[in-house]
Amino acid sequence: GAVVSQHPSRVICKSGTSVKIECRSLDFQATTMFWYRQFPKQSLMLMATSNEGSKATYEQGVEKDKFLINHASLTLSTLTVTSAHPEDSSFYICSAHRQGPGELFFGEGSRLTVL
Amino acid sequence: AQTVTQSQPEMSVQEAETVTLSCTYDTSENNYYLFWYKQPPSRQMILVIRQEAYKQQNATENRFSVNFQKAAKSFSLKISDSQLGDTAMYFCAFMKGRAGNNRKLIWGLGTSLAVNP
Repeated sequence: GAVVSQHPSRVICKSGTSVKIECRSLDFQATTMFWYRQFPKQSLMLMATSNEGSKATYEQGVEKDKFLINHASLTLSTLTVTSAHPEDSSFYICSAHRQGPGELFFGEGSRLTVL
Repeated sequence: AQTVTQSQPEMSVQEAETVTLSCTYDTSENNYYLFWYKQPPSRQMILVIRQEAYKQQNATENRFSVNFQKAAKSFSLKISDSQLGDTAMYFCAFMKGRAGNNRKLIWGLGTSLAVNP
């Protein structure tokens, strides 16, 4: 099956710093990638849809200046949490869409802890 | 707007037995996909099974099968011969079937399944 790699899997940072999370489709081109946030024992909350070569589409209530998304190539999307605060601590998951019906693949997730 | 409802927050089953997880959804679309995803403690989201709405035949993947009732908008997951490794959160999800790049998934809240030895 298709592989989506997410890095880093765990990151701890100080409050006020920025953190970048990468999402790579390793064996297919992904014109669309999605970024989710997941709180413990809850479902996935879609943050934004990332389209290659264009601006990301953010869901209502998600601060686009806080969560910067860049999809510079067909295999890479990045999520940068700027000026991180403890309330940004969460599990972040990306998924990538491969051409074809219903073809979505997920990264392993990234656990962000802001001290 | 589409919604997905999983009415069972938690379930448990004895090893080797069968368990059914329920999922209902609401949509006015005629062409769509339905999914069951498994999220074990590792947090990696794993696709369990996928169903295309235009297919009447229920999807099956080894011990996992679905009961897709389109008119009733119901999409339950049956796990046969449950194994300890099936312990996980299970999410039901919906995706519109129209062509295009917007392939958003609409998620249920999940069912936490515990398989007991």
